[in-house]
This record gives sequence, structure tokens and C-alpha cells, in this order.
Amino acid sequence: AQKVTQAQTEISVVEKEDVTLDCVYETRDTTYYLFWYKQPPSGELVFLIRRNSFDEQNEISGRYSWNFQKSTSSFNFTITASQVVDSAVYFCALSEALSGANNLFFGTGTRLTVIP
Amino acid sequence: DAGITQSPRYKITETGRQVTLMCHQTWSHSYMFWYRQDLGHGLRLIYYSAAADITDKGEVPDGYVVSRSKTENFPLTLESATRSQTSVYFCASSTQGYEQYFGPGTRLTVT
Repeated sequence: AQKVTQAQTEISVVEKEDVTLDCVYETRDTTYYLFWYKQPPSGELVFLIRRNSFDEQNEISGRYSWNFQKSTSSFNFTITASQVVDSAVYFCALSEALSGANNLFFGTGTRLTVIP
Repeated sequence: DAGITQSPRYKITETGRQVTLMCHQTWSHSYMFWYRQDLGHGLRLIYYSAAADITDKGEVPDGYVVSRSKTENFPLTLESATRSQTSVYFCASSTQGYEQYFGPGTRLTVT
């Protein structure tokens, strides 16, 4: 069965520090997709990135970077030089091709607090 | 360019009442979804729809009913609300296999 584990429930960092949010997933499917979403205090869910299982290339977008490692079933998210606006709950999610690649299975989220 | 909207944004209802949460998207996405968000559970899928008149159950469908007569609308009905259905409900839409875009959410309280 598919599963997404975000073991870090809450993280606090001081502004300008780097922080890594961990995501470990389980799936029996060979084709799957991984996602990160951000939920700021205002409550909306903001899409950050989508990665498919055939593309292990790491990605960088500004201060954000993602490290996908199939060998450890991990899809970790790093924020460099954190800012107060990064304070949010971050969710990792998985969808599987066998289920039509449509249903997202979410982790329980990591609450990041950036202290000024 | 409204994207995806939900109404109402806040709702208080009593146990046993029927309540319908509305979701509307302007992207013509084929897929639409309903999730509930509860502390400690993340988001859990209630129902989804692949197209008009095609719906299917998700992880937690009991107590909910959906319909989709038009591509752009996907209402969620609680036929007889219970306190355990107090939650934040999110609607989302996508094209097949791609990222889902979420509405702003509806905070429902059942008293």
C-alpha cells in the first residue's frame, strides 16, 4: 500500500538558516509521482513541485531545492536562507500510475516556523 | 481568472442537517477532487471525478455524496451531518496525472 511519511512534525529555524524537510514514501508501483505543497497560515494549498519516478534529477528553484533518491525512497525539500514568509505547513504527496495517477496520498505535514 | 472557488468559506450546521459544499473551476480540468483536512491526518480523499457523470470513492467516502452534471462543478453533500465531519474541506482539480490545484477551502463546523 502506498504511504507517505513526514517524520518531522514541527521545525523551527532562525531566519537565514537552511532547513531540510524530509519525505519518505512507499509504493509498489514502478511509475509514480511525487509532489510538495505549501500551506501558509492563510490556509490555501500551493503547489510547489511535481516529480515523476523516472526523473531523479535534483531540481532547484530559487531558494528551494529538491533531492529525489529512489534508493532510499526519499524526496526531501531544502529551503536555503530561510525567510519568515517560508513559515507554513509543507506537505509531501504521492500518486501512482496504477490508480490513474490521480489520487494524491498526503503525508501529515511538517510545520515550519522561521523566527526573525 | 477565478481558477477554482469554493462556497461557502465558512459554515456552521447542526447534527442531522443536510449541507452542500460547492466547488467551481474555470480551467476545464477533467478531474476534480474533494479532500478533508484534519489535524494529524493531513489531507484525505473523499471522492473524485474523472469527468462529468463519472465519480468514484476515495479513502473516506462514508457520509458523503457527490455529483457532477457539469465539468466545472463538483458539489459535495453531507446528507446528515455528524460532529465527526467537522473539518476543513478542500476541492481540487487537475488534468490526468498532473498536479492538482486547490480551492481556498471550506471550514465546516457541525454542532
